[in-house]
Amino acid sequence: QSALTQPASVSGSPGQSITISCTGTTRDVGLFDYVSWYQQHPGKAPKLMIYNVNKRPSGVSNRFSGSKSGNTASLTISGLQAEDESDYYCSSYTSGSTWVFGGGTKLAVL
Amino acid sequence: QVQLVESGGGVVQPGGSLRLSCTASGFTFNSYAMHWVRQAPGKGLEWVAIVRYDGSNKYYADSVKGRFTISRDNSKNTLYLQMNSLTTDDTAVYYCAKGTGRTEVYYFDYWGQGTLVTLSS
Repeated sequence: QSALTQPASVSGSPGQSITISCTGTTRDVGLFDYVSWYQQHPGKAPKLMIYNVNKRPSGVSNRFSGSKSGNTASLTISGLQAEDESDYYCSSYTSGSTWVFGGGTKLAVL
Repeated sequence: QVQLVESGGGVVQPGGSLRLSCTASGFTFNSYAMHWVRQAPGKGLEWVAIVRYDGSNKYYADSVKGRFTISRDNSKNTLYLQMNSLTTDDTAVYYCAKGTGRTEVYYFDYWGQGTLVTLSS
């Protein structure tokens, strides 16, 4: 049950697009289309942003999108806004009937 | 609206035990799997355990297997986490999270605000 691999930090300017990667293995990300992404502001509970690789819950901006290729999933945020500055976590279902998170990525909007 | 309220956190000595509770409202509790997820201070999220909608199947992270037990009482709309043989590595905010289906396969959508468990001698 090793954590998925995410970059520790990414940054972008307002209006730009950024992508956060999430690399797993053939036992999790590569095996299932059950990758989710969560946004967490300091001191708050995580909020679901993307589920099942590329589905957006109602109420989440269409500036957020997800994709997957092989063992790596990605979250793209387009038209960056100051309010997007936050921590982002990916998660995946695994072949062991468990779930695993990535280590988290801190997004800075410069 | 969906509400999840965790309770039972506190300060406990290493080697001790604690039981966390998560009271749910705003949805049909007995129709969804439920999870526990934790976050050590300044660290990332760590998935802990899941129980199916009817309590029939339970799965755990390797880090807690054999020490923690997840359970639910559907008559009380409450999820539990019994934690035994606690170590300093278990210090964290513990969140309960609602699954989106009956089994472990489905992602989780709503989260509670968390309860802090601190291990200290």
